[in-house]
Amino acid sequence: QKEVEQDPGPLSVPEGAIVSLNCTYSNSAFQYFMWYRQYSRKGPELLMYTYSSGNKEDGRFTAQVDKSSKYISLFIRDSQPSDSATYLCAMSGRNYGGATNKLIFGTGTLLAVQP
Amino acid sequence: ETGVTQTPRHLVMGMTNKKSLKCEQHLGHNAMYWYKQSAKKPLELMFVYSLEERVENNSVPSRFSPECPNSSHLFLHLHTLQPEDSALYLCASSQVASAEQYFGPGTRLTVT
Repeated sequence: QKEVEQDPGPLSVPEGAIVSLNCTYSNSAFQYFMWYRQYSRKGPELLMYTYSSGNKEDGRFTAQVDKSSKYISLFIRDSQPSDSATYLCAMSGRNYGGATNKLIFGTGTLLAVQP
Repeated sequence: ETGVTQTPRHLVMGMTNKKSLKCEQHLGHNAMYWYKQSAKKPLELMFVYSLEERVENNSVPSRFSPECPNSSHLFLHLHTLQPEDSALYLCASSQVASAEQYFGPGTRLTVT
């Protein structure tokens, strides 16, 4: 079983739709949860960062963490064609594997927002 | 320059060549990372430097050799690579106590 599972998509939605992206994980030691956005032929860009359980909102983006279910989500409201990218979830637990900042990534979900 | 920069952006090399990838961070961070990104696979952590000391070597073949001369610069020296080493190589940086990592644009490496 992979430590982090993420549906690779592709996910295609019409402009203005609400998008829900999800990851599940198996290691209960994870405490830090991140979402990265990666445009084609670019490096990943940190989009959202949350610690432990709860919600965090930033503009059209909301990140949710449910540690009891080992499930994290990223919601995008009023999606735009410029949101078309691959979205990567990543997570880390302090001192995980002996390295305090070792991130474990999902494979990424490719999102296409159609105008 | 801002953020994390990487050069070159594209590199084609033969299996017998020696080349180096360069990363520079302008964020005042003190930890730097090398990752490999291949199609349809999660990012693979290769090396971690914390306060200029290597703290993680994730079972990477010796044909990849990292170097961190100071907290702002990171190199990845390449020699006698294999075609399966073709990938996007990403550099990232963070503060040692933080899980927030910031990535550069990557070097697209093709080994022929």
